[in-house]
Order: sequence, then C-alpha cells, then structure tokens
Amino acid sequence: NAGVTQTPKFRVLKTGQSMTLLCAQDMNHEYMYWYRQDPGMGLRLIHYSVGEGTTAKGEVPDGYNVSRLKKQNFLLGLESAAPSQTSVYFCASSYSGRGQETQYFGPGTRLLVL
Amino acid sequence: DQQVKQNSPSLSVQEGRISILNCDYTNSMFDYFLWYKKYPAEGPTFLISISSIKDKNEDGRFTVFLNKSAKHLSLHIVPSQPGDSAVYFCAADPGSARQLTFGSGTQLTVLP
Repeated sequence: NAGVTQTPKFRVLKTGQSMTLLCAQDMNHEYMYWYRQDPGMGLRLIHYSVGEGTTAKGEVPDGYNVSRLKKQNFLLGLESAAPSQTSVYFCASSYSGRGQETQYFGPGTRLLVL
Repeated sequence: DQQVKQNSPSLSVQEGRISILNCDYTNSMFDYFLWYKKYPAEGPTFLISISSIKDKNEDGRFTVFLNKSAKHLSLHIVPSQPGDSAVYFCAADPGSARQLTFGSGTQLTVLP
C-alpha cells in the first residue's frame, strides 16, 4: 500500500516549457487535490476532483490544467511555465470531500522555473 | 486576505516542556479545524481536529483548544519531544465548499 505517490520528485523548467505532474493513489479515494506551497503562504488549493472524469477550480487555478481520467490518477499540467510557478506541489486524496476527513498527502514535487 | 493566520513563523521549546502553537481565523463560517504536521521532504500528515461545536479535543500528548468568540485555536503538545520538531499547519473547513484553507505554518523546534 503506497498511499499517495507523486512523479517527478524534482524538475527544472525553462520559462515557456510545459510539463505534467502525476499523482497516483491506491486507497480507492474519490477526492483528489493539487496544492502548491510557497514560503509564508501555506498550502493553496489549485484544482480538485470529486470523482473520475470531474475537476473543479480551487483558490489559485490560473496557469494550470488538470485531468482525472482514471480514479487513481490526477494529473496537473503546466502548458507554459512561468517563474511564478516555482513552488513545491503536493497532491492529496480523501475518501469523501468533508473537511473533517483526513486528506492524505504525497511527498511533493519541487519545481523550479528559470 | 488570509482567512487563517499563524502569526508565529517559528517556535523553540525545551524537551519535556509544553509547546503552544496558535492559529487565528476570520471566517465565522468555518465549522471544522484541523492540524497537520510536516517533516522536511515529506507531505503533511493529519495530526488532530476539532469541530466548531466543541472547545477541546485531546489525543495523547496533543490537545487542540477552540475559542469561537475570539476566532482562535491553539495546539498544545505536552510533553514536547525532539521528534515533534516539524512545521505545523492549521487548516479550516468552510463546510460545503470542500476546500480546506491552510495557515502559513509554524516551525516548531524541540531542543534536547
């Protein structure tokens, strides 16, 4: 039982390049989330999904796209990376979307955009 | 405008003493509050939570207190251990929106 895994762990991009971050969970959770963590800002929700084939915008969705083609996977895409997207990205999942339920986080992806 | 604030970026405590981490919020619609703990190079992990209908929840060495009138909650760790050294995030649930709002975190260092 691996929990929530993220690929890659670290990536350096040049401005304008694109990439996809992969999140996978093996807990059969319905809900999945993408956050970014920046110094002094805590974790901010980018996009989330309430089930296979569905996605919704979070607090800071601009510049990102997501897809949930399979229940266990949640992909975060950057079509044209900008230095402002330098951050640590965390994926999380939960069985339901109720706030009091624990969200399980992956180990993070550190992204540097030059 | 940050709806959940952790005004202390860092806190140092001697091993065996009490650690008190504070969190303030502005949205009176929050009805559930959670604390997450994060070690370097790892994702946050859930620690303890409290419903807005309660004023205290205890789990072993960890106790969370909620003061709704002051819109303030605190996490008490007694006794503190070196393994508790981590970043602690306060988070709040606004209810139907299904989106947690996180504070900026407090780095706790427990000195041996």
